Amino acid sequence: GQNIDQPTEMTATEGAIVQINCTYQTSGFNGLFWYQQHAGEAPTFLSYNVLDGLEEKGRFSSFLSRSKGYSYLLLKELQMKDSASYLCALMDSNYQLIWGAGTKLIIKP
Amino acid sequence: DAMVIQNPRYQVTQFGKPVTLSCSQTLNHNVMYWYQQKSSQAPKLLFHYYDKDFNNEADTPDNFQSRRPNTSFCFLDIRSPGLGDAAMYLCATSRVRGSGANVLTFGAGSRLTVL
Repeated sequence: GQNIDQPTEMTATEGAIVQINCTYQTSGFNGLFWYQQHAGEAPTFLSYNVLDGLEEKGRFSSFLSRSKGYSYLLLKELQMKDSASYLCALMDSNYQLIWGAGTKLIIKP
Repeated sequence: DAMVIQNPRYQVTQFGKPVTLSCSQTLNHNVMYWYQQKSSQAPKLLFHYYDKDFNNEADTPDNFQSRRPNTSFCFLDIRSPGLGDAAMYLCATSRVRGSGANVLTFGAGSRLTVL
């Protein structure tokens, strides 16, 4: 079957770095997405990885290891506005998106 | 700005009273999706349209129906809302289907409360 796991909640300090992990099990893989969702709002696209390695976009980076079924989202220089849920989503062999339940990130001053 | 617009943002209905949620897009995307998302849970795909081709998820209850009269608009009809249907309903679009780098653009969502 297919399964995605990510921590339910994390807390970090403004200005610090935080890494949000996502592990998955799937029989087929066509990429992994990260979306940001502020409370009561729609998810917005952050990153897409299909090959192993690190993709950097400003303060946000996303890493993928297909052999380990593992991805992480790295947020640097945390700002209060980064408080949100971060959703990991896997695209399976049928190009269907399998969503994780999201990691709620709380930023403290 | 090109975008996905959902109306209403907040909908309160009574148990069993039909509700229609709307979604419009100016992106000219071929694919439109409806997701249901409950608090602290993953979005759950209800169905999607690829152009006029309707694709229902196997576990979507018959209580949920959809219409896409043209490229720009898509509607979600909940025929007899139950308490368990209270959720955020998200509309999303994508330019294509069946592509790896298929980024979804979401609307702001319609939050449904059932009394």
